[in-house]
Amino acid sequence: SQKIEQNSEALNIQEGKTATLTCNYTNYSPAYLQWYRQDPGRGPVFLLLIRENEKEKRKERLKVTFDTTLKQSLFHITASQPADSATYLCALDGEGTYKYIFGTGTRLKVLA
Amino acid sequence: DTGVSQDPRHKITKRGQNVTFRCDPISEHNRLYWYRQTLGQGPEFLTYFQNEAQLEKSRLLSDRFSAERPKGSFSTLEIQRTEQGDSAMYLCASSLARAGGGEQFFGPGTRLTVL
Repeated sequence: SQKIEQNSEALNIQEGKTATLTCNYTNYSPAYLQWYRQDPGRGPVFLLLIRENEKEKRKERLKVTFDTTLKQSLFHITASQPADSATYLCALDGEGTYKYIFGTGTRLKVLA
Repeated sequence: DTGVSQDPRHKITKRGQNVTFRCDPISEHNRLYWYRQTLGQGPEFLTYFQNEAQLEKSRLLSDRFSAERPKGSFSTLEIQRTEQGDSAMYLCASSLARAGGGEQFFGPGTRLTVL
């Protein structure tokens, strides 16, 4: 069956460290993969999109990698801050149909 | 504020009642999505529109759910004969249809509680 997996356990890291979140998928061949941030009680907010032919994408303190052979994306936040504490969701297009499938999200807590 | 609005923000209803939610997307966005999200889960795709055409609907969506997007602007999602299992956050998102995928702008959601 088709599946997207993200670290189900919450990730606690110390302020200033790099947070690394994982998104693994099976039985999909996505053309795009997106990362979103979601705060409690609010809708997700778009962060980054990476295409299947891109290995890496950066935006300020954020970096995303995409390995279509491993079927994995990694999301990094460098120099993390308590304000980065949120749930991070990965989403991929279901076989290029613009029907986006979301993972369950990873809750990140950055400790001051 | 992403520019996508949803109304109402909260809805409490009794089992068996019908409910309707509204979504106003960013005006120039031609794609509109509906998702459902329960606690601890990611958003679950329900349906999406390109302009006024409903192009895809989740197989998980029962026939109690219907969505419309008249004139390709705002959209409504109706749930008939609500059940307790329908309790969730209903999210609307809009995007521009363009090559290379497109970021989705989400509204604040409508939280539905079915008693």
